[in-house]
Amino acid sequence: NAGVTQTPKFRVLKTGQSMTLLCAQDMNHEYMYWYRQDPGMGLRLIHYSVGEGTTAKGEVPDGYNVSRLKKQNFLLGLESAAPSQTSVYFCASSYPTGLAGVIYEQFFGPGTRLTVL
Amino acid sequence: QQPVQSPQAVILREGEDAVINCSSSKALYSVHWYRQKHGEAPVFLMILLKGGEQKGHEKISASFNEKKQQSSLYLTASQLSYSGTYFCGTEIDTGNQFYFGTGTSLTVIP
Repeated sequence: NAGVTQTPKFRVLKTGQSMTLLCAQDMNHEYMYWYRQDPGMGLRLIHYSVGEGTTAKGEVPDGYNVSRLKKQNFLLGLESAAPSQTSVYFCASSYPTGLAGVIYEQFFGPGTRLTVL
Repeated sequence: QQPVQSPQAVILREGEDAVINCSSSKALYSVHWYRQKHGEAPVFLMILLKGGEQKGHEKISASFNEKKQQSSLYLTASQLSYSGTYFCGTEIDTGNQFYFGTGTSLTVIP
């Protein structure tokens, strides 16, 4: 099993360019998440999905869009990149425990380092 | 919404113990703990659920005080491999939003 994979690993964009980050998981997990990690800020939730065809906004959704057309894939899009979006992006997947509002461990991908000039 | 962790950083000698605290202003459904080494992805350590169920890790334990909305991670007899940044993560309501704390940098020296 590959677990959670992310494509690409590194990318440099110019301000105003667009791109899509791909996250794929082979564990049949229902839940998937996109986080960004900036120095001193920890991990902040951008968008998440609790199942195929569903998405929801997280803590910092502005400037990003997502889609979950297939259960195993979760795409993060930047329509018009800005320097403030320079960050490391992590995708994660998880599964529910059956208890209200409680998920088990999150499995993280290796991350994508994005620089916007 | 983001949980607050303390201390922000700690340096230990091998064999010493450490405690990392995580607190929230909102009621918690569960608390997760993760460790991240430099340049790598976070790795799950432990989950604590309301009512006391716990999934653990050897030599690392944790507590969850539901009334105080706090959790503490205990690392005993620290090893060099314990170095990294520790994050708590919490679910505050049933909407499946997940919030990570700002992290605690732990450095173990020989």
